[in-house]
Formats: sequence, C-alpha cells, structure tokens
Amino acid sequence: KAGVTQTPRYLIKTRGQQVTLSCSPISGHRSVSWYQQTPGQGLQFLFEYFSETQRNKGNFPGRFSGRQFSNSRSEMNVSTLELGDSALYLCASSGTGTGNEKLFFGSGTQLSVL
Amino acid sequence: AQSVTQLGSHVSVSEGALVLLRCNYSSSVPPYLFWYVQYPNQGLQLLLKYTSAATLVKGINGFEAEFKKSETSFHLTKPSAHMSDAAEYFCAVTHNQAGTALIFGKGTTLSVSS
Repeated sequence: KAGVTQTPRYLIKTRGQQVTLSCSPISGHRSVSWYQQTPGQGLQFLFEYFSETQRNKGNFPGRFSGRQFSNSRSEMNVSTLELGDSALYLCASSGTGTGNEKLFFGSGTQLSVL
Repeated sequence: AQSVTQLGSHVSVSEGALVLLRCNYSSSVPPYLFWYVQYPNQGLQLLLKYTSAATLVKGINGFEAEFKKSETSFHLTKPSAHMSDAAEYFCAVTHNQAGTALIFGKGTTLSVSS
C-alpha cells in the first residue's frame, strides 16, 4: 500500500507569490491534515479536511487555505507569501476519521520563500 | 487551551542506557496523548498513543510511556538505547476523538553515542 505522497518535495518562491502544495493520502483514507514545521515554532496544525469538508482549523491567517477533492486528495494554498512562511509542510492522513485513529505522515514539502 | 511542554530540547545517552524523554501537558480534561518520532528527512511516525484504556502504553521499537494524571505527564522511556533510536521525538495532545488536530511539543532530539 502506497504511503502519503506529497508533491513537490522542494519549492522555491519569492515574496508576494502564491503556492499550491499537493497531498495524496493513503488509499481509502478520508481525513487529511496539514501541519507547518519550522525551527522556531515547531509543528503547528493548519487544518483538517474530511470528506471534502474542513473539519478542524488551526490558528493561521486566511492566506492559508485548503481543499479536498472527492478522491480525498488535498491541496493547500498559501497566497501572498511572506519570508516567515518558509517551512516544511507536512500532510497526514487517517482512515475513517473516527475512533482516534493513527495518523500517517508524508515526507513533506520544503518551501523556501526568498 | 491545550499545550504540551517537552523538557529538554536535546538529550544524549550512551548505547544501552535508559532513555527518558519528558512530556507534560496542560488540559482541563484528560486528552488523547501521543509520541511521534521523526528521522532525518522523513515524515513523522507514531510510536504510541494513550486513549484512556491503560495508563502504561507500549509502543513500537521497545518504547513505552506512562500517563500520570496527577502529574499531567506522559514521559517516554526505553530501557536500553540503540544507535538507531537517534531522532527527534515529539509529544502531542488532542481532545479530538478522531486523533487529528494535534498540538505538538517543541520536540526533543535524542543522540545516542557508542
């Protein structure tokens, strides 16, 4: 069974641009969560999608948005990039989204904002 | 609001020595607690989780953790460290029954010397 796949692996953008990151969950998983990892702030929860609906949201500005498609694949978008958005963005998927299931993480997308 | 504090950003042990990584949580009600491990250039992998079924939780790779409500702690231990245990370890908490929307600690880097 393939794991969680995130593309691209690395991304370089300049301030003011926007970026879209993609996450393909494990087959059959319906929940996809996004996390931002930086040396200063550590791992922070962005949002979670379940069956195409945002189910939980972290404390990030509206520049960060996401969506989930009917096949459970998810995209995360960051508009008007700032230097502080440079981070490793991790995606995690889980099965039915109930009963305290295990999260499976992808290897992440390393975003650098210049 | 929930929060997690990991005492010690860096812990060094010798191969064969006891591993003890500390985690304290702040929550008004008992939460779900997790330990994740991150190897270099990889995503996070679940070590173990506490879901109120038993206070002593056994995980993968010989790790275990004990939930102590009176101390609001969930420390991670392993009786005998192995070189392959060198990684970054994260404690996480959530009240989300689905086990998503995790609040992570800042992480502890474990170094193992021969």
